[in-house]
Amino acid sequence: DQQVKQNSPSLSVQEGRISILNCDYTNSMFDYFLWYKKYPAEGPTFLISISSIKDKNEDGRFTVFLNKSAKHLSLHIVPSQPGDSAVYFCAASAGGGSQGNLIFGKGTKLSVKP
Amino acid sequence: NAGVMQNPRHLVRRRGQEARLRCSPMKGHSHVYWYRQLPEEGLKFMVYLQKENIIDESGMPKERFSAEFPKEGPSILRIQQVVRGDSAAYFCASSLLEGLENIQYFGAGTRLSVL
Repeated sequence: DQQVKQNSPSLSVQEGRISILNCDYTNSMFDYFLWYKKYPAEGPTFLISISSIKDKNEDGRFTVFLNKSAKHLSLHIVPSQPGDSAVYFCAASAGGGSQGNLIFGKGTKLSVKP
Repeated sequence: NAGVMQNPRHLVRRRGQEARLRCSPMKGHSHVYWYRQLPEEGLKFMVYLQKENIIDESGMPKERFSAEFPKEGPSILRIQQVVRGDSAAYFCASSLLEGLENIQYFGAGTRLSVL
């Protein structure tokens, strides 16, 4: 049973446009969410996080939105750049992140075309 | 400030052999986590350790797998009598665990291939 779902395996966007990556979760105990970016043959790189007390967190070109009632979060990248092409993973945890267990989605492969 | 270091990057074992994967956390981090990624899948949690203690091993297979994080030295994930199904990428992460937000930083992973 997948508790964190990324329903789009891939997404293609033109350079300079907005990329929107989506993530749904089922466990209402999740209260801390993270986005990671991963290049082939490398480890995941932390991008941005949000706790359930917020509905938005912004860091440069990256913004994460959280809709608790819908159990949905999204990552917006504006403007998209070719170097953003990678697999993006959504991850969630309970207990304010103090629990070690991060639950990951299967990832969305983003391709940004010049 | 070095990041999370994992070695080896690639490990080839024959069925029945032992695999030892090593992880040195980021400087100042005392919390270590191991994850496994199968092809086309997300990362799956295996075990969470602090120095000399296993905090959560709910994701570890019951047999053949063990992990430690000694007082001195790296964390070790040990797989005994490997089988083909153990072939995967194994990632280690570390964190500070300050406050309520626990950002885990990952190493580059060890790719285990079992022949």
